[in-house]
Amino acid sequence: GENVEQHPSTLSVQEGDSAVIKCTYSDSASNYFPWYKQELGKGPQLIIDIRSNVGEKKDQRIAVTLNKTAKHFSLHITETQPEDSAVYFCAVITGGGNKLTFGTGTQLKVEL
Amino acid sequence: NAGVMQNPRHLVRRRGQEARLRCSPMKGHSHVYWYRQLPEEGLKFMVYLQKENIIDESGMPKERFSAEFPKEGPSILRIQQVVRGDSAAYFCASSPGTSGRETQYFGPGTRLLVL
Repeated sequence: GENVEQHPSTLSVQEGDSAVIKCTYSDSASNYFPWYKQELGKGPQLIIDIRSNVGEKKDQRIAVTLNKTAKHFSLHITETQPEDSAVYFCAVITGGGNKLTFGTGTQLKVEL
Repeated sequence: NAGVMQNPRHLVRRRGQEARLRCSPMKGHSHVYWYRQLPEEGLKFMVYLQKENIIDESGMPKERFSAEFPKEGPSILRIQQVVRGDSAAYFCASSPGTSGRETQYFGPGTRLLVL
């Protein structure tokens, strides 16, 4: 089955700096790559997603890049704010399936 | 437009009891997914259902766990004879169901504690 690795597991940045989280996947048939933000005690919230026919997507301070050849994709958050502090999960869907395979999560802390 | 709703938000059971978790998908969504999140871990897929059909249950434990999504009413995840290892957060997600590779929207989860 699909295997998704996510790094780093924890990330601490100063307010205003950029944060980058990377994920690699194993199945070349993977074709959908969402990123979720999970705050303490809440459910995962979709923040951005990308499909395999696109290399990059941006939404205000958040961007995702996809390298299908290398089988990795990354989340970029610019001008970080304290409210960006949360756990971020990458995920993939493979082939014609519908189940999400999640990475292990990154605890992002934005310090004042 | 209300999001995915789950209840109860917290559930405490003693070993051997049954747990029933409910999920109402977003309006207009006909596909439901259940995921489990153990403490300090990521989410793991359990089961994918459409109305009255189980499409993929490859992530469900073979015993004690069952799921349904009836024609009317919410989706139910049922855990019989709970054990301490079942303590986790259980999340439901839904999608419109019009094509593959769809965005899944998650509910707030049910946190199950087995004493």
